[in-house]
Amino acid sequence: NAGVTQTPKFRILKIGQSMTLQCTQDMNHNYMYWYRQDPGMGLKLIYYSVGAGITDKGEVPNGYNVSRSTTEDFPLRLELAAPSQTSVYFCASSYGPSGGAGLTDTQYFGPGTRLTVL
Amino acid sequence: QKEVEQNSGPLSVPEGAIASLNCTYSDRGSQSFFWYRQYSGKSPELIMFIYSNGDKEDGRFTAQLNKASQYVSLLIRDSQPSDSATYLCAVNTGGFKTIFGAGTRLFVKA
Repeated sequence: NAGVTQTPKFRILKIGQSMTLQCTQDMNHNYMYWYRQDPGMGLKLIYYSVGAGITDKGEVPNGYNVSRSTTEDFPLRLELAAPSQTSVYFCASSYGPSGGAGLTDTQYFGPGTRLTVL
Repeated sequence: QKEVEQNSGPLSVPEGAIASLNCTYSDRGSQSFFWYRQYSGKSPELIMFIYSNGDKEDGRFTAQLNKASQYVSLLIRDSQPSDSATYLCAVNTGGFKTIFGAGTRLFVKA
């Protein structure tokens, strides 16, 4: 059981380039999330998904896009990278309300992708 | 704006002491509360969750919740140097919506 996996671990982009951050979970979780974490700051929600085919914006969605074609995968797309997108990106998943008391929204995080935009 | 507030620290305690980490939240409708530990350069990992007022103990960790005061805390007994990390308080306000605090950095001195 690998849990939540993310690729790549590190990436350097030039301004204006695009890339996709990959996220896969093997726990059959309904809910998946993308966060960014800037130095010394908390986690900011970018996008989330409550199931395959259903996505919605979080707190800081501008400059990003997502898709959820399967339960397992939740890629994050950066279009026209900007220096303000330099951050560490974490993907997470959870059971959601169907998981029952004690499991609702206990989030399991991937190892993160450290992105630098120069 | 729903918020979760934590003292950023650093909180420094000697080895073997009790470390007390505090968190306040603004949404009275919040339903569940989580403490995550994050080592430098690593991802957050769940330590404990709590739903009901009072204390919940798990090994050296005790979570305390007071919904009337909108306050949740984490006590770490017999603190060890390996407990040195940033501790994130997270509050679920229903469904998918979980808000994370900025975290408190803890240093345990050997």
